[in-house]
Amino acid sequence: KQEVTQIPAALSVPEGENLVLNCSFTDSAIYNLQWFRQDPGKGLTSLLLIQSSQREQTSGRLNASLDKSSGRSTLYIAASQPGDSATYLCAAQKTVGNEKLTFGTGTRLTIIP
Amino acid sequence: EAGVTQSPTHLIKTRGQQATLRCSPISGHTSVYWYQQALGLGLQFLLWYDEGEERNRGNFPPRFSGRQFPNYSSELNVNALELEDSALYLCASSFRETQYFGPGTRLLVL
Repeated sequence: KQEVTQIPAALSVPEGENLVLNCSFTDSAIYNLQWFRQDPGKGLTSLLLIQSSQREQTSGRLNASLDKSSGRSTLYIAASQPGDSATYLCAAQKTVGNEKLTFGTGTRLTIIP
Repeated sequence: EAGVTQSPTHLIKTRGQQATLRCSPISGHTSVYWYQQALGLGLQFLLWYDEGEERNRGNFPPRFSGRQFPNYSSELNVNALELEDSALYLCASSFRETQYFGPGTRLLVL
C-alpha cells in the first residue's frame, strides 16, 4: 500500500527566500507525481505533474523534481511571495488504469511579509 | 473555459439522513473522481467514474455510492450519515493524467 509523507507539516519563511518542500513515497512503482496547492477552505489547484520517466518539471518560480529510486520528490519555490502562502500537497498515481491519487498530508506554508 | 463545478457549496444534515452531492466536470473530460478530506485525515480517494462506469473504489463502506450520467456529470450519495462523514468532499475531472479539482462541498453532519 502506497504511503505518502510530507515533512515538515508547517513552514514559515520570510518573503523573498527560496524554499524546498519535501515529499516521500513508499512504493517507487508510480506512474506520475503531482503537486497541488490548497488555499483554506478551497479546492486544489494543480501546480506541476512529473511523469515517472521525467526528473523534473518547471513552471515559473516553481520547480519539482522526482527521484523514483529513493522515493522522493521536492518542490522548490524561488523568491517566495506572501501569495504563496497555502497548503502544498503531493500525490502519487500508481498506474494508468488505476487513476486514484494517494495524497500526502501536506505542508502548510506561511510567507512572512 | 469553465472549471469543475460542485453543488451545493455547503450542506448540513443530521445523523441517519442521506446526502447527495453533485459535480460537473470540465467540458471534454470523461473521468470524474471523488475524494473526502476529513479534518486530520488528509485527502482520501472515494470513487472513480469513467464513461459512465465505476472504475475504482477507495476503502469506504457501501453507503458511499455514486453514478455518472451520460453528460459525464456525477453524483455522490452518502446514506445513513454518521458524524464522522463531516468533511470537505472534492470532485476532480481529467482527460489525461492531470486531475483538475472543483471547490468542494462542505458537509456537516449534526
